Amino acid sequence: QIVLTQSPALMSASPGEKVTMTCSASSSVSYMYWYQQKPRSSPKPWIYLTSNLASGVPARFSGSGSGTSYSLTISSMEAEDAATYYCQQWSSNPPTFGSGTKLEIK
Amino acid sequence: DVQLQESGPGLVKPSQSLSLTCTVTGYSITSDYAWNWIRQFPGNKLEWMGYISYSGSTSYNPSLKSRISITRDTSKNQFFLQLNSVTTEDTATYYCARSGTTVVARYFDYWGQGTTLTVSS
Repeated sequence: QIVLTQSPALMSASPGEKVTMTCSASSSVSYMYWYQQKPRSSPKPWIYLTSNLASGVPARFSGSGSGTSYSLTISSMEAEDAATYYCQQWSSNPPTFGSGTKLEIK
Repeated sequence: DVQLQESGPGLVKPSQSLSLTCTVTGYSITSDYAWNWIRQFPGNKLEWMGYISYSGSTSYNPSLKSRISITRDTSKNQFFLQLNSVTTEDTATYYCARSGTTVVARYFDYWGQGTTLTVSS
């Protein structure tokens, strides 16, 4: 199965700061998906097909990448963005998730 | 709007079977999409367990293949997870979720709120 490695595992950012987190795949994948999860809630779809924002996701978020290297970027950190972000692939079975990047606000 | 809601026993003894139900409202599970079970372990690792498609076909994670069964009741718009011979390592929060069936839609766009299952004697 394809292993997704997210880095960093934990990061913090000040309001207004640019944030970038990465997801590295053990084999090439066609697309990457991202989810946001806050405590005591289920994951929410956040970015699909590598770079498309899910409904309701602020435009300060963006996704990019190809092959084995993908990233999620926040252009200007806001307090509400504090959460854990997971990447996910389904280019091959079984679908797999990364272990998450926990983003905290400074 | 599409909503998914899990239900289950909360506590299961080791070696027993667990059974969970996902009730879907706002969309027929026989119209389209795949209907999945995903679990999140303490420590937050997410694992896809399997799905039943709108046509009734199933696909399972090879890591669980000998223990898992996903079925459905189309009259009630529900689908079910059965996991046999549970151990304490099956303690997790279990989610049901919808995913697309085409190459460009294979992600989980609707999730239930999750149900916590503890395996303990």
